[in-house]
Amino acid sequence: KQEVTQIPAALSVPEGENLVLNCSFTDSAIYNLQWFRQDPGKGLTSLLLIQSSQREQTSGRLNASLDKSSGRSTLYIAASQPGDSATYLCAVESGNTPLVFGKGTRLSVIA
Amino acid sequence: KAGVTQTPRYLIKTRGQQVTLSCSPISGHRSVSWYQQTPGQGLQFLFEYFSETQRNKGNFPGRFSGRQFSNSRSEMNVSTLELGDSALYLCASSWAGQASGANVLTFGAGSRLTVL
Repeated sequence: KQEVTQIPAALSVPEGENLVLNCSFTDSAIYNLQWFRQDPGKGLTSLLLIQSSQREQTSGRLNASLDKSSGRSTLYIAASQPGDSATYLCAVESGNTPLVFGKGTRLSVIA
Repeated sequence: KAGVTQTPRYLIKTRGQQVTLSCSPISGHRSVSWYQQTPGQGLQFLFEYFSETQRNKGNFPGRFSGRQFSNSRSEMNVSTLELGDSALYLCASSWAGQASGANVLTFGAGSRLTVL
């Protein structure tokens, strides 16, 4: 059974800092891994999707990497801004099972 | 194009009542998935419907049910509500459906259910 873990559970950084969020999964036989952002009381917004054959994806100040063999992904946020404050979730799609989510990292960027 | 629309956004019920939540997917999307989100358990998969057929079901009691109509709109129903059913219920739509290998889910804003 696929399990997804995100560390840390919460993170507070000053504005402008570069930061890394971590995601690990137990079964490396995945189709893809996705990173989502969730603002308080809102739905999820897809940020990046990495196919199993890819090593990384970039969108603006965000860069996500995938190491299938070690069961890990990182989300790198460059030059963080207060508007980046949100909960970031990773999710893994594998086999004939629906997306399995981690519990997220709650990020606060302090101005 | 319009996003995923969930109604109602907020509702309050009492124990023992039942509730129906609605989800209108993005036009052209055939798959609708439902998730329950709570602070303790995170996001847990409820079920997925694809072209009116339930394709996958999570580990929830039979009080949780759903259906999908020919226009891809979906409803989920929870009967005999319990306090523990208080949660944010999210639906997501996609064209290819889950476990397709090239799936990007688009989520709605959710329905916040409070059971008193």
